[in-house]
Amino acid sequence: GAVVSQHPSWVICKSGTSVKIECRSLDFQATTMFWYRQFPKQSLMLMATSNEGSKATYEQGVEKDKFLINHASLTLSTLTVTSAHPEDSSFYICSAYSPLPNEKLFFGSGTQLSVL
Amino acid sequence: AQTVTQSQPEMSVQEAETVTLSCTYDTSESDYYLFWYKQPPSRQMILVIRQEAYKQQNATENRFSVNFQKAAKSFSLKISDSQLGDAAMYFCAYRSASTGNQFYFGTGTSLTVIP
Repeated sequence: GAVVSQHPSWVICKSGTSVKIECRSLDFQATTMFWYRQFPKQSLMLMATSNEGSKATYEQGVEKDKFLINHASLTLSTLTVTSAHPEDSSFYICSAYSPLPNEKLFFGSGTQLSVL
Repeated sequence: AQTVTQSQPEMSVQEAETVTLSCTYDTSESDYYLFWYKQPPSRQMILVIRQEAYKQQNATENRFSVNFQKAAKSFSLKISDSQLGDAAMYFCAYRSASTGNQFYFGTGTSLTVIP
């Protein structure tokens, strides 16, 4: 079964509204979670790195006030797209990092956001 | 950020045949990890194979194997006995062993399996 649950899988919202996406690690504690954005037929673009209990680290060019990330517990990280606009429409993927010795990066199933 | 390059946007292979997907990367580090991920039409990312840079032996997972050439900074994926279910986007990824947990992905290769 899935080890990382991402919800919702798709969402349609009106321009100007905010949308929250949840990412949960189901059977392990994820000290680090990542948020990616993926445009059609393109690669995953890292948006931010989220460490439990601290502020997220954003990649260059990603607006931290627009994409609010919270990682309040070892099993939950949220991404809130604030005042969404049509250009924010995209596929958002979270991932949870499991460190050594069995290092892996588990991915959520993604969220398709469509802003009207 | 590290640079990961996949020079083949699209590849095709006949069912039951073998195909090799290319990946090169740019780094000044000596210790790192390399991965191949598969993204089928469902868009769920699935780990295919993982390689530690300090290991000379190439990783294998059933029909999937890699050719890791550290000096050349090359990390190709070989899929043997290709199956229809192998059709997907394949992404090569790099992770530093010392400067954080970020994974850097290549641009992807779309693999089509011809029945």
